Amino acid sequence: GAGVSQSPRYKVAKRGQDVALRCDPISGHVSLFWYQQALGQGPEFLTYFQNEAQLDKSGLPSDRFFAERPEGSVSTLKIQRTQQEDSAVYLCASSQTQGASGANVLTFGAGSRLTVL
Amino acid sequence: AQSVTQLDSQVPVFEEAPVELRCNYSSSVSVYLFWYVQYPNQGLQLLLKYLSGSTLVKGINGFEAEFNKSQTSFHLRKPSVHISDTAEYFCAVIRGNQGGKLIFGQGTELSVKP
Repeated sequence: GAGVSQSPRYKVAKRGQDVALRCDPISGHVSLFWYQQALGQGPEFLTYFQNEAQLDKSGLPSDRFFAERPEGSVSTLKIQRTQQEDSAVYLCASSQTQGASGANVLTFGAGSRLTVL
Repeated sequence: AQSVTQLDSQVPVFEEAPVELRCNYSSSVSVYLFWYVQYPNQGLQLLLKYLSGSTLVKGINGFEAEFNKSQTSFHLRKPSVHISDTAEYFCAVIRGNQGGKLIFGQGTELSVKP
């Protein structure tokens, strides 16, 4: 597609519910990233995929967070037993390049805003 | 460890005035530097990047930034702002060996008033 598409754009969950956030990267983009942006803060790295391989998940805040990209294209970020502190905008980004290149310029989606009540 | 500090959380400015948004970083290794803009309810859009070469980098929408290695700064400037420049601006760095793992600053809210 023309850009990175994320769905749903808005999600309200009750505390304890599970949620799934979807990211459709730009077609052919090898690298995919998830970021969490709390209100009034800069985005913080969660996890990184190169094709279907999850190469870095050091930013996932707890074992309630899980991400997958089974066919190397669409990715899903799943949050189990949501807590109020999970409320944030979850941003997905993709990139053409692969590997540890500093020139790995990311294209971001509009984000999924999660509110946990 | 590396971090990014955006020295101003909010910058109010009148239309057609010049503006500078400040960014300092800390890193013991080479870095790549970026400025992103985020309009309300939209994703991050790349304004400009410094990878190597000339320390003065020109980006979209008339913005430019200067990489100063001795001061570990990468301040963003525009000589004359428009109402449409009102947005949140984020400075970000990547360590040379960490691909797209961007480390972002806290953001600066630029508010352009008529």
